Amino acid sequence: DQQVKQNSPSLSVQEGRISILNCDYTNSMFDYFLWYKKYPAEGPTFLISISSIKDKNEDGRFTVFLNKSAKHLSLHIVPSQPGDSAVYFCAAGGHQFYFGTGTSLTVIP
Amino acid sequence: DTEVTQTPKHLVMGMTNKKSLKCEQHMGHRAMYWYKQKAKKPPELMFVYSYEKLSINESVPSRFSPECPNSSLLNLHLHALQPEDSALYLCASSQDWARSYEQYFGPGTRLTVT
Repeated sequence: DQQVKQNSPSLSVQEGRISILNCDYTNSMFDYFLWYKKYPAEGPTFLISISSIKDKNEDGRFTVFLNKSAKHLSLHIVPSQPGDSAVYFCAAGGHQFYFGTGTSLTVIP
Repeated sequence: DTEVTQTPKHLVMGMTNKKSLKCEQHMGHRAMYWYKQKAKKPPELMFVYSYEKLSINESVPSRFSPECPNSSLLNLHLHALQPEDSALYLCASSQDWARSYEQYFGPGTRLTVT
């Protein structure tokens, strides 16, 4: 059974608008939550992380929100740019990380 | 240099072949990882090496044999694979096991077993 789920396989957003990618997890013991971005024919690239002691972490256009009571995290990208079009994976764990199946984001110019 | 390299990019092998996948990083990272990713599935951890010692083996069949000859190199030796082993094999590294929350991934090796 998957410990980390991304229920939206794909998302399309207009350039300049906000992209919101969602992720749910099952294990309340997870310490860290990560987002990776993956372009075709490349490995995943680390984007941003958040520890379980925080509820928000911001890095430029990327913000990750953590709702521990709901076991839910989200990645906000604002403003979205065409170069953000990629597959986004969330991952959760402590030392060992479990990945979601990914959400393919398309930013339309 | 924040790059993890993997060779080959693509590999086709028969079920009786022996082949090896190679992963290299020069970031001074002391933890290295092998993941397997099937189509439309998340990456699944196979092995973790910490300071050149095998720390985690996620019940991977013995037809997959990892090796860490030095702190920069990680190999995955393949022997008598099955068609269902066809997948993308990803290598990753992190500064150490305690910092596994920041892993750098290679581009992967696309393996097809015929």
